[in-house]
Amino acid sequence: DIQMTQSPSSLSASVGDRVTITCRASQSISTYLNWYQQRPGKAPKLLVYAASSLQSGVPSTFSGSGSGTDFTLTISSLQPEDFATYFCQQSYSHPYSFGQGTKLEVK
Amino acid sequence: QVQLVQSGAEVRKPGASVRVSCKASGYAFTGYYMHWVRQAPRQGLEWMGIINPTGGSTSYAQKFHGRVTMTRDTSATTFYMELGSLTSEDTAIYYCTRDPRSTKQLASYYFDFWGQGTLVTVSS
Repeated sequence: DIQMTQSPSSLSASVGDRVTITCRASQSISTYLNWYQQRPGKAPKLLVYAASSLQSGVPSTFSGSGSGTDFTLTISSLQPEDFATYFCQQSYSHPYSFGQGTKLEVK
Repeated sequence: QVQLVQSGAEVRKPGASVRVSCKASGYAFTGYYMHWVRQAPRQGLEWMGIINPTGGSTSYAQKFHGRVTMTRDTSATTFYMELGSLTSEDTAIYYCTRDPRSTKQLASYYFDFWGQGTLVTVSS
């Protein structure tokens, strides 16, 4: 099974900051990597699919990059509504695993 | 607009089974695959399996083989997930979540629309 490891597990930042979250796969997954945002008490929301494609309706302040085993999600200028937990997920092979999450908190 | 509305919270005793429903609307029911994902407090998000609403074929994560059954009722545009032999480790929020790829293609195994979640609590 492919293990997905995110870092950091938590991150403190301020409105307007640029932040980067990293996801590493235990083996190469090409670009079969997706990112989700989850606010408290809500279902996850798809942000980025296929490593770098922005889901419709997602602000352009979000971007994804990477291939193989190393991936990043970048928020170029944090907005108040961006404070949430972020998960990566591989769609390369069964079972389709998630990272443990990165909680983005207000500094 | 696409909507996935799930059934309400459930409480079960260890060894029992639970069935969660997911009513789909706003799109062609047989046009898109449906997955089930769960979120337990200490285990993060976990993919459980997929169902093709055209014909009802399924594929389950090995971890749940023999305990999970995913079905659909096309006339009611509703999906179901039944999990048996429950233990406390099955206490989690269960989500139905749609694959963005058409059933005319292979599934993509990522998830564009989500239900609101159903809390299943297993306790004696």
